[in-house]
Amino acid sequence: DAMVIQNPRYQVTQFGKPVTLSCSQTLNHNVMYWYQQKSSQAPKLLFHYYDKDFNNEADTPDNFQSRRPNTSFCFLDIRSPGLGDAAMYLCATSRGLAGDVSEYFGPGTRLLVL
Amino acid sequence: QQPVQSPQAVILREGEDAVINCSSSKALYSVHWYRQKHGEAPVFLMILLKGGEQKGHEKISASFNEKKQQSSLYLTASQLSYSGTYFCGTELSGGGADGLTFGKGTHLIIQP
Repeated sequence: DAMVIQNPRYQVTQFGKPVTLSCSQTLNHNVMYWYQQKSSQAPKLLFHYYDKDFNNEADTPDNFQSRRPNTSFCFLDIRSPGLGDAAMYLCATSRGLAGDVSEYFGPGTRLLVL
Repeated sequence: QQPVQSPQAVILREGEDAVINCSSSKALYSVHWYRQKHGEAPVFLMILLKGGEQKGHEKISASFNEKKQQSSLYLTASQLSYSGTYFCGTELSGGGADGLTFGKGTHLIIQP
């Protein structure tokens, strides 16, 4: 089945220790997004790639970086995680075509910072 | 600009109907509706593009009033499985490349 896969599902890291979250898709979608969702809050868009074009949201901290080495994979790097970065990180994909903009989410990675 | 959802929470008995609203102060290209259960990722329900269309999916349907920049999600004859948090996500420009801005969510609790 075509899908969006995130690894790991749970990640524990130490304060200040870099961490990388992974997202892959078999949908062959043009756009990949990273959202951060804190407890009882709405998902918040961090950035997205349209093919290789990177688009950063204005209020995304510099501590967060992303890489998309190919169509299928996208990574979220948190260079120095703080306690406030503990959250669910959601990857989503979309065809990104006019009239076909539905976003499909992966299962998420729950990050815990000790 | 974050869309405004109302109500914040709804408690229903199984079989009752509910309406969840999503309003924006800006002109929208599309409105997306998702349902999220605790600890899980949001699940896509439906999308409405500007043009005032209405969509339906079994007992869940939605409309988009372009004049008011408001979308409503209708849940009829609710089932226990409908429980969860409903988010609307809005997109200002077309093309599907900008990502969504989500409302704060509406918590729906269905009691037997």
